[in-house]
Amino acid sequence: EAQLVQSGAEVKKPGESLRISCEGSGYNFNNYWINWVRQMPGKGLEWMGRIDPSNSYTNYNPSFQGHVTISTDKSISTAYLQWSSLKASDTAMYFCARLTSGFQAFDYWGQGTLVTVSS
Amino acid sequence: QSALTQPPSASGSPGQSVTISCTGTSSDVGGYNYVSWYQQHPGKAPKVMIYEVSKRPSGIPDRFSGSKSGNTASLTVSGLQAEDEADYYCSSYAGSSNFVFGGGTKLTVL
Repeated sequence: EAQLVQSGAEVKKPGESLRISCEGSGYNFNNYWINWVRQMPGKGLEWMGRIDPSNSYTNYNPSFQGHVTISTDKSISTAYLQWSSLKASDTAMYFCARLTSGFQAFDYWGQGTLVTVSS
Repeated sequence: QSALTQPPSASGSPGQSVTISCTGTSSDVGGYNYVSWYQQHPGKAPKVMIYEVSKRPSGIPDRFSGSKSGNTASLTVSGLQAEDEADYYCSSYAGSSNFVFGGGTKLTVL
């Protein structure tokens, strides 16, 4: 069965950089887009963007464009979400999710990575 | 892209039915049959309950059903059970490889 496993919780200071990961297993990683979803404390889900692992093509929610970068290393079936300069407002749970072919649904989700940014 | 509009809360007694709405625009919900619904229990990852407006993944009970009319999609939970208490989110394809979620609805089983 497919599985997405994310890296562990992070505590960072404002201005620091960070990269979190999402490793896929149990399926052909190249065949499904990986999406990143933010959930701020006590708030709803927000789609951040996605990557096609087969060609590394990305697109972003305009609200996140320029502040985060989504990438992938298909040789190790892993997708990444990274920041070059964190803000306190980046404090949130971040989920990766696999999109079914044909845009039907996000069918498998990672367990989430909690990012805390505080001085 | 703006979030889809959901009521912040819904409730029902065990055995009853409850319907949660999800309103978007002709650029998302109304324009595509790619509406999905997710259940999220506290501290857990979301779980897909409905996809393509009304289809249920394997293992999802038929108490959960979905529909769409115009720019509004709906999730109905029939025969409410205590374990259905959770947050529910709708999502829609919004064109150009973009997606959008609803603000979420907290379902309480009284």
